[in-house]
Amino acid sequence: SQKIEQNSEALNIQEGKTATLTCNYTNYSPAYLQWYRQDPGRGPVFLLLIRENEKEKRKERLKVTFDTTLKQSLFHITASQPADSATYLCALERGSTLGRLYFGRGTQLTVWP
Amino acid sequence: ETGVTQTPRHLVMGMTNKKSLKCEQHLGHNAMYWYKQSAKKPLELMFVYSLEERVENNSVPSRFSPECPNSSHLFLHLHTLQPEDSALYLCASSQGAGGFTEAFFGQGTRLTVV
Repeated sequence: SQKIEQNSEALNIQEGKTATLTCNYTNYSPAYLQWYRQDPGRGPVFLLLIRENEKEKRKERLKVTFDTTLKQSLFHITASQPADSATYLCALERGSTLGRLYFGRGTQLTVWP
Repeated sequence: ETGVTQTPRHLVMGMTNKKSLKCEQHLGHNAMYWYKQSAKKPLELMFVYSLEERVENNSVPSRFSPECPNSSHLFLHLHTLQPEDSALYLCASSQGAGGFTEAFFGQGTRLTVV
């Protein structure tokens, strides 16, 4: 079965720095890889999607990379702010079962002033 | 707001009770999902409905029974649950088959089984 690992349970960084979160997977390569943000007591909110034939995707201060050889995605938040503090989830979607998402446990990011 | 509404937000039930969780979306999506989120565990996909037809059941115990009467509504009927079923239950919707778009999640129902 697919295993999805996010580098660490918690990541603490200083405001203004770049946060880098890692998502590694085993077995099959997903057709799509997505990143979500989840705040306490709330449902996940979609941030970015990257396709298997894409290397990089950007949105404002967010950047996602996808390396199918390493079976890894990196999620970057540049110029981080305390408001970026949340849990970030990586999710994989297979081409054969579009719509079904398989999540990692998440990384809890804390940005301190 | 994401456009996906779940009720109730919190639910405490005994092991012999029967209750239902409700999910509603008015985004025009044709696929709806139930996920379970337990402490320190990843979100687990429970059920998938595409065009009101159940297309996946991830080995979920029969004490959980989904229902999708139309493309905008999804229910999860609960009966004779166990304390280990206590978790955050999340509903989501997406465009589903035919090309992928992101999933829109509701706020979840925090379920406690006593």
